[in-house]
Amino acid sequence: AQSVAQPEDQVNVAEGNPLTVKCTYSVSGNPYLFWYVQYPNRGLQFLLKYITGDNLVKGSYGFEAEFNKSQTSFHLKKPSALVSDSALYFCAVRDLNSGNTPLVFGKGTRLSVIA
Amino acid sequence: ETGVTQSPTHLIKTRGQQVTLRCSSQSGHNTVSWYQQALGQGPQFIFQYYREEENGRGNFPPRFSGLQFPNYSSELNVNALELDDSALYLCASSLGADRDNEQFFGPGTRLTVL
Repeated sequence: AQSVAQPEDQVNVAEGNPLTVKCTYSVSGNPYLFWYVQYPNRGLQFLLKYITGDNLVKGSYGFEAEFNKSQTSFHLKKPSALVSDSALYFCAVRDLNSGNTPLVFGKGTRLSVIA
Repeated sequence: ETGVTQSPTHLIKTRGQQVTLRCSSQSGHNTVSWYQQALGQGPQFIFQYYREEENGRGNFPPRFSGLQFPNYSSELNVNALELDDSALYLCASSLGADRDNEQFFGPGTRLTVL
């Protein structure tokens, strides 16, 4: 079975500082990993994904994520946080070796960027 | 290009009632997936429709059912509502049934069951 964990319910960071939102996953095969962001009263917006290739993936709005196979992690990062980055962030995983199974989402991490 | 839209925005029902939620997919997309997002949780996959047929289902009981129409819009029907059905219901559209395809989400319908 595939699963994803976001160990922090809330992350607080000062504007201009780097931010990291953590994600670890568990799959039996190769992972297909996503990050989505959810603003209040909005649906999920795609940020970035990893399937293969370079371990550092660059996405929308200046976000990037680093795939680490040995640590089974896919942490989301941004060099300089903006107040407008405050939102709910979801990591999701799919096992590429288990057929056409759906994405499994983490519980989400609420990011608060303080001016 | 229009995005994914959902109606209604909010809905209040009582236990035992039935509800229908609607989703219009993004222009050109032929696949719709439905998710339930309970408070404080991530979205959970309910089912997917591809070219008017169900194409995969998550761990939800049969009282959760759906339809997809020739224009690829979709409905989610829930019968015999329970208190635990209170959640944000998200619809996502994509091009093709491959689960690796990028999904575009609507704003959701918030259902409250009293």
